[in-house]
Amino acid sequence: AQSVTQLDSQVPVFEEAPVELRCNYSSSVSVYLFWYVQYPNQGLQLLLKYLSGSTLVKGINGFEAEFNKSQTSFHLRKPSVHISDTAEYFCAVSDLTNQAGTALIFGKGTTLSVSS
Amino acid sequence: DGGITQSPKYLFRKEGQNVTLSCEQNLNHDAMYWYRQDPGQGLRLIYYSQIVNDFQKGDIAEGYSVSREKKESFPLTVTSAQKNPTAFYLCASSIGKKEAFFGQGTRLTVV
Repeated sequence: AQSVTQLDSQVPVFEEAPVELRCNYSSSVSVYLFWYVQYPNQGLQLLLKYLSGSTLVKGINGFEAEFNKSQTSFHLRKPSVHISDTAEYFCAVSDLTNQAGTALIFGKGTTLSVSS
Repeated sequence: DGGITQSPKYLFRKEGQNVTLSCEQNLNHDAMYWYRQDPGQGLRLIYYSQIVNDFQKGDIAEGYSVSREKKESFPLTVTSAQKNPTAFYLCASSIGKKEAFFGQGTRLTVV
């Protein structure tokens, strides 16, 4: 069964520094990949998604992610973070070979804490 | 505006009670989902439905029940059989596998 591993549960960083949140998924022939952001006591908001095409995907709020099929990774990056980026970030995968359903499979999340 | 509405935002349950969480969408999506979120656990799938009058168990369905009588609505009942129901519950919908849209969540607390 497909699974998602977010390698860091917490990432502290200073304002204006770069950040990378790491995500690996178990192997599959075809997948769609997603990053979502969650602010306290709110639902999830889509940051970006990879469906096909260019392996470098740009999203909202200056975030980008790179799909690496050989390493089964989809790491999220931002060159300069703001205090307002403090939130929980979830990586998710949709396994296109799974005929049983359309539900996304989520990692356990990474808490990004930006301080001044 | 199109979206997913979950109600109530906060819900308190006494021991032994059943409670029902509401989820309504006006996105015309066929598929709907319920996830449970606990600190450090990520999102775990409870139930999903890909079409009206049909639904399937997810990874943690024990102690929960759902119905899908209308395309727009997918209520979740937390029964007294669920021994640890305190959690944040998220409803989502999608067209196929390309993206899921989420509601704002319901926080359920046992008192």
